[in-house]
Amino acid sequence: GENVEQHPSTLSVQEGDSAVIKCTYSDSASNYFPWYKQELGKRPQLIIDIRSNVGEKKDQRIAVTLNKTAKHFSLHITETQPEDSAVYFCAASSTNFGNEKLTFGTGTRLTIIP
Amino acid sequence: ETGVTQSPTHLIKTRGQQVTLRCSSQSGHNTVSWYQQALGQGPQFIFQYYREEENGRGNFPPRFSGLQFPNYSSELNVNALELDDSALYLCASSLTSGGANEQFFGPGTRLTVL
Repeated sequence: GENVEQHPSTLSVQEGDSAVIKCTYSDSASNYFPWYKQELGKRPQLIIDIRSNVGEKKDQRIAVTLNKTAKHFSLHITETQPEDSAVYFCAASSTNFGNEKLTFGTGTRLTIIP
Repeated sequence: ETGVTQSPTHLIKTRGQQVTLRCSSQSGHNTVSWYQQALGQGPQFIFQYYREEENGRGNFPPRFSGLQFPNYSSELNVNALELDDSALYLCASSLTSGGANEQFFGPGTRLTVL
């Protein structure tokens, strides 16, 4: 089955700087890669996703890159703000019917230092 | 916020008891997935229901079972509760249509087994 590894487990950055979180996956059949943000005591919220037919996607201060050959994808947050502090999870899945489960990484606790 | 709701919010049970958790999917969605999130971990896939049928199962024992109803709401049942079943149980709804499958999470049910 799929295995997703995520690094780093904790990350502290100065407000205004950039943060990068990296994930690798094992199953070449995976073709959908979402990122979730989870604040303390709250539900995971989808913040951005990418499919295997593109290499990069951007939404304001957030971007995701995908390297299918190397089987890794990354989340980039620019101009970080205190409200970006949360735990971020990467995930991988296939859009093949019957195999659409999300396999999550272990999470990155991001702390923005004012 | 998503339209996915879960009940109850919190639940305390003793070892050996049985529990039923409920999830109402977002309007227009036909698929519900259940995940278990232990403290400090990423969500782990339990199973998925599509149009009232189980459509994939993770590495959980048979005492974890589920149902999906004609209105696409769903239940997760856990029999013979064990201490390790203490966790946040998340459901996620999505639209299975052979393409995009963004999963949107509910707020979760925190289960404590004593």
